[in-house]
Amino acid sequence: KQEVTQIPAALSVPEGENLVLNCSFTDSAIYNLQWFRQDPGKGLTSLLLIQSSQREQTSGRLNASLDKSSGRSTLYIAASQPGDSATYLCATTNAGKSTFGDGTTLTVKP
Amino acid sequence: DTGVSQDPRHKITKRGQNVTFRCDPISEHNRLYWYRQTLGQGPEFLTYFQNEAQLEKSRLLSDRFSAERPKGSFSTLEIQRTEQGDSAMYLCASSRQTVLQETQYFGPGTRLLVL
Repeated sequence: KQEVTQIPAALSVPEGENLVLNCSFTDSAIYNLQWFRQDPGKGLTSLLLIQSSQREQTSGRLNASLDKSSGRSTLYIAASQPGDSATYLCATTNAGKSTFGDGTTLTVKP
Repeated sequence: DTGVSQDPRHKITKRGQNVTFRCDPISEHNRLYWYRQTLGQGPEFLTYFQNEAQLEKSRLLSDRFSAERPKGSFSTLEIQRTEQGDSAMYLCASSRQTVLQETQYFGPGTRLLVL
């Protein structure tokens, strides 16, 4: 059974700082890994998807990496802004079923 | 492309009542997923459809839960004899299965409160 862990559960940084969010998973047999953002009381917004054959994906100030052999993914956010404050979730997918971590709640202070 | 929509957005019901939620996926998305999320937790997989076929159902889903996607378009999730433990956000997502990638797009969710 896949287990996905995100540490830390919460993170607070000053505006402008670069930061890394971590995601680990126990079963490396994944089809892809996706990073999402969730604002309070809202649905999830897809940020980046990394196929199992890929090592990283970039979108604007975001860069996600994937190391299947070690069961780890990171989401790098450059030059953080207060608008980046949200909960960030990672999810692995295999055979149509996705397993989510519990997320890291990020607060970027002005 | 109007995104995934869910109805209702909020539902308050009394214990023992039945409730039904609807999800309209992005058009031409052949996969549709249902998740349940409680406060402070990540979404838990409930079930998913490829077109009208229900391909997998979580063991978390008791026999009080049933989902349908009769024509391969919209889907409904019904909870019978609701219990207080069913209170949660119910999320729907859709994706288009391709060789290259399969990004899931989520709806805004239906928040259920069972009194």
